[in-house]
Amino acid sequence: DGGITQSPKYLFRKEGQNVTLSCEQNLNHDAMYWYRQDPGQGLRLIYYSQIVNDFQKGDIAEGYSVSREKKESFPLTVTSAQKNPTAFYLCASSHPYGGTDTQYFGPGTRLTVL
Amino acid sequence: SQQGEEDPQALSIQEGENATMNCSYKTSINNLQWYRQNSGRGLVHLILIRSNEREKHSGRLRVTLDTSKKSSSLLITASRAADTASYFCATDANWGKLQFGAGTQVVVTP
Repeated sequence: DGGITQSPKYLFRKEGQNVTLSCEQNLNHDAMYWYRQDPGQGLRLIYYSQIVNDFQKGDIAEGYSVSREKKESFPLTVTSAQKNPTAFYLCASSHPYGGTDTQYFGPGTRLTVL
Repeated sequence: SQQGEEDPQALSIQEGENATMNCSYKTSINNLQWYRQNSGRGLVHLILIRSNEREKHSGRLRVTLDTSKKSSSLLITASRAADTASYFCATDANWGKLQFGAGTQVVVTP
């Protein structure tokens, strides 16, 4: 099956701890994205990567970090510097060229800070 | 910042009725996309309309785009209970960097 997987589905962490969310795709897409969704709101872009070993900050990058060492993988670390990390996190991927940037989303990880 | 804004925020209809929701945006775009999200799930792409297109159909979905008014509409015809979801518009002004609106929550009752 082709698609995007995110793990875990639910994640709990204590204040002050860093936590890493996994995102893997086997769609052979070059571009990958991380979004945050808060209740009743749309998606806000955290980081995106258009190619391996390169990534850019989105609209709300503070308190987050990413890496893109492999085409298939784009993990997101929520650091202790993120002041309000409880949210639903969505990963997506796409082909970044040609103006037909349909994004394919994973099932999401719900992070709760206790 | 959110470029697209959907209207209404919520919509409740009965099966068989049509559902219409609108999206307004602020800057020039390359394309506009509509996505659906079932509760607690990821988003699913529904339809993409380019800036030089005015109308597009996909099954029971009809999307219009008016670039002079910077607005788009999504029409779902003959709605079903399975159409219950949140619907988001997303504008692409920067080749792949999408800006999402806050969404329209649609409830279809039998």
